[in-house]
Amino acid sequence: GAVVSQHPSWVICKSGTSVKIECRSLDFQATTMFWYRQFPKQSLMLMATSNEGSKATYEQGVEKDKFLINHASLTLSTLTVTSAHPEDSSFYICSARGRAPTSWTYEQYFGPGTRLTVT
Amino acid sequence: DQQVKQNSPSLSVQEGRISILNCDYTNSMFDYFLWYKKYPAEGPTFLISISSIKDKNEDGRFTVFLNKSAKHLSLHIVPSQPGDSAVYFCAASAGGQNFVFGPGTRLSVLP
Repeated sequence: GAVVSQHPSWVICKSGTSVKIECRSLDFQATTMFWYRQFPKQSLMLMATSNEGSKATYEQGVEKDKFLINHASLTLSTLTVTSAHPEDSSFYICSARGRAPTSWTYEQYFGPGTRLTVT
Repeated sequence: DQQVKQNSPSLSVQEGRISILNCDYTNSMFDYFLWYKKYPAEGPTFLISISSIKDKNEDGRFTVFLNKSAKHLSLHIVPSQPGDSAVYFCAASAGGQNFVFGPGTRLSVLP
């Protein structure tokens, strides 16, 4: 099946620093990658959608200058949280969708998530 | 305005019995639905999908039912096992584009 990895799985950083989270599709080419954020006991909130080689599309209320997304290749997308603050502490999850038409056309495969704690 | 609702935040079921998780949506343009299972501190795992041309899809112990007129879908797990204890999200999309997730239902299967 489709495997998506994230690195790191857990990161603690100081307020004001930047953190980069990587999302990789290991056995398929991900034309589209999604970044989600989940607060405790809440649903997944879509932050942005990125297509390989183009700028990410951010959801309303998500600061694009704070959450920098780069989808440089068909297997890698990165999310950089710039000038992190304690309120950015959350669980960040990426997902990837393969090239259509495939059996994965409409299915998103999720990474294991990254727990960010900003102190 | 929640387009996808899961009105039961939690559900407890005895091992071996049936678990029924419900999901309602408001957007009539939604035509493709997914169920995901999520353990704490892990990413969601895809379970089963259904498109609007069907009213039922089955995969092993998991069956999803879709009632388009009622804008309602449900996930049945039979028989329920302790390892099924997790949070279950339904997600809906129009044309397979970006999915909207429900708030999730926490299922506890009691031994």
